[in-house]
Amino acid sequence: RKEVEQDPGPFNVPEGATVAFNCTYSNSASQSFFWYRQDCRKEPKLLMSVYSSGNEDGRFTAQLNRASQYISLLIRDSKLSDSATYLCVVTLNSGYSTLTFGKGTMLLVSP
Amino acid sequence: EPEVTQTPSHQVTQMGQEVILRCVPISNHLYFYWYRQILGQKVEFLVSFYNNEISEKSEIFDDQFSVERPDGSNFTLKIRSTKLEDSAMYFCASSEVTSSTDTQYFGPGTRLTVL
Repeated sequence: RKEVEQDPGPFNVPEGATVAFNCTYSNSASQSFFWYRQDCRKEPKLLMSVYSSGNEDGRFTAQLNRASQYISLLIRDSKLSDSATYLCVVTLNSGYSTLTFGKGTMLLVSP
Repeated sequence: EPEVTQTPSHQVTQMGQEVILRCVPISNHLYFYWYRQILGQKVEFLVSFYNNEISEKSEIFDDQFSVERPDGSNFTLKIRSTKLEDSAMYFCASSEVTSSTDTQYFGPGTRLTVL
């Protein structure tokens, strides 16, 4: 069973659209949750952490449902520059914050 | 803004050769990591390093791999005898502390091509 699962996409949306990505994780002992963004052939960059209470950063909203082991990312008013692969990332219950990545969901925003 | 740097950006080698990938973590960071990403696949953890020793390693990190902090700034990943399947992007990361909420900052990566 995959540790972190995501729909690979691609999600093709027009500028200004709202798009949502989902992610499930298999280990109920997972401690922390993140969304990273990765542009083609570049390094992953932290987009935002995900908290149980939900959190928002500008046009981005992340939600965590521990009971369902489910994480979501909502992007409002999509920009062309949002085109990238969005990686769902968790840390497992260990003494070290080893990141476990999903394969990512590709987003393509068109004019 | 401080950043993690990696050299070279692209390394081409013959199967069976040794390669050393270099990283300079952010200067006040104490925890260092190597990850790899095979083309089209997910990013995978290889090893973490703290206080001059390996903290954790994955099953990918076998005897062909080693890490070292040879001086106060560099952090290296050595692959002793490269295989075709070692072709991947290798990312170095560092963090200030290791807690489950601390941010890991990634370098731009080294693309390793094994022929």
